[in-house]
Parts: sequence; structure tokens; C-alpha cells
Amino acid sequence: GIQVEQSPPDLILQEGANSTLRCNFSDSVNNLQWFHQNPWGQLINLFYIPSGTKQNGRLSATTVATERYSLLYISSSQTTDSGVYFCAVGGETSGSRLTFGEGTQLTVNP
Amino acid sequence: EAQVTQNPRYLITVTGKKLTVTCSQNMNHEYMSWYRQDPGLGLRQIYYSMNVEVTDKGDVPEGYKVSRKEKRNFPLILESPSPNQTSLYFCASSLWGAPYNEQFFGPGTRLTVL
Repeated sequence: GIQVEQSPPDLILQEGANSTLRCNFSDSVNNLQWFHQNPWGQLINLFYIPSGTKQNGRLSATTVATERYSLLYISSSQTTDSGVYFCAVGGETSGSRLTFGEGTQLTVNP
Repeated sequence: EAQVTQNPRYLITVTGKKLTVTCSQNMNHEYMSWYRQDPGLGLRQIYYSMNVEVTDKGDVPEGYKVSRKEKRNFPLILESPSPNQTSLYFCASSLWGAPYNEQFFGPGTRLTVL
């Protein structure tokens, strides 16, 4: 099946800093989503981005499908950005099944 | 409000006592799925359904059952729970087929089996 690798596994920032999270995947995809898992365990949809670039406030994402990677940018980070960020992909041959990466644990210190 | 709901949100039970976790969505989605999340193992798919009366196994289906009698509901049934099913469970739904297949997740059910 499709493989998903996220980097870095852990990231510690000071409030106000910028960061880039990366997601590499091993095959063609028809779905790529970024999620934020908050401290209560809820998965929050950030982006649906199988290709192209999107922005939502301080967050933006870019997926280069031909090179099989996606990037999540967080600017001017806040303590509320802390949590785990997951990339999940759906392969073109796997129906709607999402394969999740292992996540990036982000800690933003005041 | 468009959403996926799960109940209960938290459950502590004992080995062998049958339980059902309900999942409901109000977005008229064809596709529904259950995942479990475990430390060090990430999120893994248990079962999925492409439409009413159509279900199939995911990566870790052992010990679970599902049914899809109505489009909006997709309950997860543990007929004889065991401690290794202690986990955080998520239900998700989406339309079928790209580019409409963004998945939306419920709030999660934290299950402990003693």
C-alpha cells in the first residue's frame, strides 16, 4: 500500500516563529488532507489539498503531486497551534481509504 | 451544522460485555469509515462502507462488526471486547470519488476495556 512519511517528528517553537512541516508519499494520490489533533484528541480538518496551494489565515499548504510531497506552513505560531499534525493520503487505487502519516508533534512555547 | 457525531465519547467497560459505538452524519455522504488510533501505531482503518448495505474490511477488522442499514448511520459493534481494543476510535464520512472525497471526522470515542 501507499507509504506516508512526515517530518520532522517533533518540533518545538517559540511563539511567533514560523515553521514548515513536510509529508512525502510513495504513490499517486487523489486525496491529501492535513489535520490538527488537539490536546483533547479531536481531529480538525485543516486542508483538503491533493494538488495546488491553499491558504487559511496563518496556515497554508502546498502539494506537488508529481513530486509526491506536501508542505504545511504555519506562520506567526501561537500556543494554541500546539498538538499533532497529521498528513493523510488516499491513493488512486485505494478507494476512499486514508493512510495516515505518523504525525509531527508541535509544541509552541509562550 | 454539517457534522459527524459519535456516542458515547468516553466508555469504560469490562472484557466480554458487548457494546456499540454509534456514528451518524448529516451530510448525505455515501462513504463512511471507522479508524482506531493507538500510540506508536497511528490511525488504522477498521471497516468502511461505500453505501447502504455495502461494507468491507479495512486493515484491522478482527473483533469488530459494522452495519449500514441507513445512509446516515454506521455503528461499530464489539461483540466481545478485549483489553487490546482499548483505543481512541474515530468515525469519518465523505462523498465518494475525487475531487469530492474530503473526509470529515467525528470527535472520537475513547474506549477502555478492563
